[in-house]
Amino acid sequence: GNSVTQMEGPVTLSEEAFLTINCTYTATGYPSLFWYVQYPGEGLQLLLKATKADDKGSNKGFEATYRKETTSFHLEKGSVQVSDSAVYFCALSGGSNYKLTFGKGTLLTVNP
Amino acid sequence: GAVVSQHPSRVICKSGTSVKIECRSLDFQATTMFWYRQFPKQSLMLMATSNEGSKATYEQGVEKDKFLINHASLTLSTLTVTSAHPEDSSFYICSATSQAMNTEAFFGQGTRLTVV
Repeated sequence: GNSVTQMEGPVTLSEEAFLTINCTYTATGYPSLFWYVQYPGEGLQLLLKATKADDKGSNKGFEATYRKETTSFHLEKGSVQVSDSAVYFCALSGGSNYKLTFGKGTLLTVNP
Repeated sequence: GAVVSQHPSRVICKSGTSVKIECRSLDFQATTMFWYRQFPKQSLMLMATSNEGSKATYEQGVEKDKFLINHASLTLSTLTVTSAHPEDSSFYICSATSQAMNTEAFFGQGTRLTVV
């Protein structure tokens, strides 16, 4: 079956530091890949996505590239802000039923 | 992006009572809705997939008689936790999607259920 493994947190960084959160996946076929962000007490918001190999998703300074050869979709941001503090989930969607398989989530805390 | 509204955001109920949570797609027709449960510091666990006009498909280990799901229209799905117990306390999140939205899933704000 499908699975997503992402870097366990928590991750604590200073403002303007570089961020990487690793994500690898196992899936049959050609899944779409996503990063979602969850702020405290809220639901999930789509941060970025990529639907085929070598696609790069980007939004709000975050980027992730769909690497089929390494089955990875690592999230990066060059300079984090305090407002980026949240839980980040890597996810994949495969097949025709639109189901999402999530990683366990990574808590990011950015200190001023 | 499209908006999915979930209500209530927080609810406290007594053991043995039932609680209904609503999930509405406000600006698109959602052919498919999903219900998730999230435990503290853990990922989202898919409970069931709900297609408009048909019975929900429950994931293994989820009691369909306890978690009643209804998707009677293209903009509304409800999750009813029947005979709630303290162990049902959790954060419940819905998401909605359709082919018209390129299968992207839009999430509600979540409902914090506390059973006392």
